[in-house]
This record gives sequence, C-alpha cells and structure tokens, in this order.
Amino acid sequence: EDKVVQSPLSLVVHEGDTVTLNCSYEVTNFRSLLWYKQEKKAPTFLFMLTSSGIEKKSGRLSSILDKKELFSILNITATQTGDSAIYLCAGVSGGSYIPTFGRGTSLIVHP
Amino acid sequence: NAGVTQTPKFRVLKTGQSMTLLCAQDMNHEYMYWYRQDPGMGLRLIHYSVGEGTTAKGEVPDGYNVSRLKKQNFLLGLESAAPSQTSVYFCASTGVGARDTQYFGPGTRLTVL
Repeated sequence: EDKVVQSPLSLVVHEGDTVTLNCSYEVTNFRSLLWYKQEKKAPTFLFMLTSSGIEKKSGRLSSILDKKELFSILNITATQTGDSAIYLCAGVSGGSYIPTFGRGTSLIVHP
Repeated sequence: NAGVTQTPKFRVLKTGQSMTLLCAQDMNHEYMYWYRQDPGMGLRLIHYSVGEGTTAKGEVPDGYNVSRLKKQNFLLGLESAAPSQTSVYFCASTGVGARDTQYFGPGTRLTVL
C-alpha cells in the first residue's frame, strides 16, 4: 500500500522566518511527487517533481526531490501571512496515475 | 472556461437521507476523482473514473456510489447518509497529456446530523 508522510503536521512562525516542510513517500512504481497549497478552499498546484536533485522554484517557494532517500522538501523563505495554509504532498504511481496524499502540514504565519 | 465546478456548495442531511453531488468539468479531461477531506487527514480517494462509462474504487469507497454517464460529469451518491460521512468533498480532474496534475473543484461541505 502506497504511503506518504508529511512532517511537521503543524508549524507556527513569524513573518520573515524560513520554513522547511518535509514529505517522505513509499509509492509503487513511483512517477512523480506533487506539492499543493490549500487555503480554506480547493488545493492549488505548486510543483511537480520527477527527477532527483533538480530544484523547482517559484518566487519564495522552492522544492527538491531525493529519489534515493524517498523524500522531498518544500522551502518557503521570508514567509508572509499570505503563506498561511495547509501544504499537501502527494506521490503519484506510474501504474495507476492515482496520487496518494499525505495528511498535510498546517502552516500559520503570524505578523 | 469554468474549470471544475461542484454542486451544491453546502448541504445538511439527516441520517438515512440520500443525495447526489455533481461534478462538472469543461476541460475535456479523461480522468475524474472524488475525494473527501477530514481535519488532519489530507485527501482520501473515494472513487475515480478513467473515462466515460468507467468507475473504480479508491481508498474509502464504502457508503458511496458514482456514475460517469457523460465525459464532463462525475456524480457521487450517498444512498443512506451517516454522520461519519460529514466531510468536505472535492472533485478533481486530469487530462491525458498531464495526468499527474489534478485540477480541483471548490468543494462541497456536507454535514450529516
């Protein structure tokens, strides 16, 4: 059974802090690792990672995948209150293309 | 281009009542999914469809049925609602060319009393 574990489950920081969110996975016939941001509504897509060591970057957010150690991290630098959200990680199996989601990390950024 | 839409947005049911949630997408996507999200549980797959006329069970299918009579619509039915089905339900779809990335609807908040 495929499994995705995220840590920490919750995080409270102040504006300007840098945070690292972790995602480890055990996915049969692994194809890709996805990150989503969810702000009290539908998840919105952030990154898709398929290759080890190649950093994906979008503004203050970046993510990298380690296929040997089976984990990914999502970094957010200079956090802002608008970064407050649940961040979801999902591993996609190449056989079924069904994503398995982790429980998410709830990030709260205080002004 | 509305993307993925869900009807209704909110609903309150009594135990034993039935209802149908409608998901519609206008992106000509082949694949559609129904998830439920409970606090601290992430997204759990209920049922999914890989094309018109096909459905398959996900991780938590019990108590739910689905139908995909038209490519653009995916219906989720609760025949006899139970309080354990109180949750937020999300529909999602993906296209053949980008099967990894899911586009989500706005969600339906269902409360079963």
